[in-house]
Amino acid sequence: SQQGEEDPQALSIQEGENATMNCSYKTSINNLQWYRQNSGRGLVHLILIRSNEREKHSGRLRVTLDTSKKSSSLLITASRAADTASYFCATVPRAGNNRKLIWGLGTSLAVNP
Amino acid sequence: NAGVTQTPKFRVLKTGQSMTLLCAQDMNHEYMYWYRQDPGMGLRLIHYSVGEGTTAKGEVPDGYNVSRLKKQNFLLGLESAAPSQTSVYFCASSSQGELYGYTFGSGTRLTVV
Repeated sequence: SQQGEEDPQALSIQEGENATMNCSYKTSINNLQWYRQNSGRGLVHLILIRSNEREKHSGRLRVTLDTSKKSSSLLITASRAADTASYFCATVPRAGNNRKLIWGLGTSLAVNP
Repeated sequence: NAGVTQTPKFRVLKTGQSMTLLCAQDMNHEYMYWYRQDPGMGLRLIHYSVGEGTTAKGEVPDGYNVSRLKKQNFLLGLESAAPSQTSVYFCASSSQGELYGYTFGSGTRLTVV
């Protein structure tokens, strides 16, 4: 039941650079969420963006949503080694009563010192 | 610290054995979830609960049972463990379900031999 598809699967950048990850999905959504998972740890909620929103910011994170293209992007500015993690998008379908989160497979980000 | 606590963190079971994974949250959240995470498969929902005394099946419920006798606790049981249940199990909770972000525990790594 995978809906979100992150791109790229893996990304390696230098500290200080910006990192952009993309998420595409298939059906209309209520909202889209981004999570971070450090190696061996649980997921941490980063940002939730609703279908009527186009952009949200949280610190060094910027999320955009284009419902016409069914896609979202997560931008991390001025990356740090501590940003090394896997990043997942999850969508909540608009239709139906069972509006559970549908997860993508994630983007693995490596930030090199 | 407020959050979601999972016990145990690691466990090795023999095929056919049973065990219970415990999830406890102190945020007074109504919604609780059990996921499994496997390489290449992403996060898959096993069971979930929308309040004390309620449970419902997720995407991959076979071989698992759950109980939510108290609002703060959500138990996941494996009746007769199989090697296919080797995985990392995550518990999550949310105040308003998929309309808000989830708070995850740090996971239980289970190996069935």
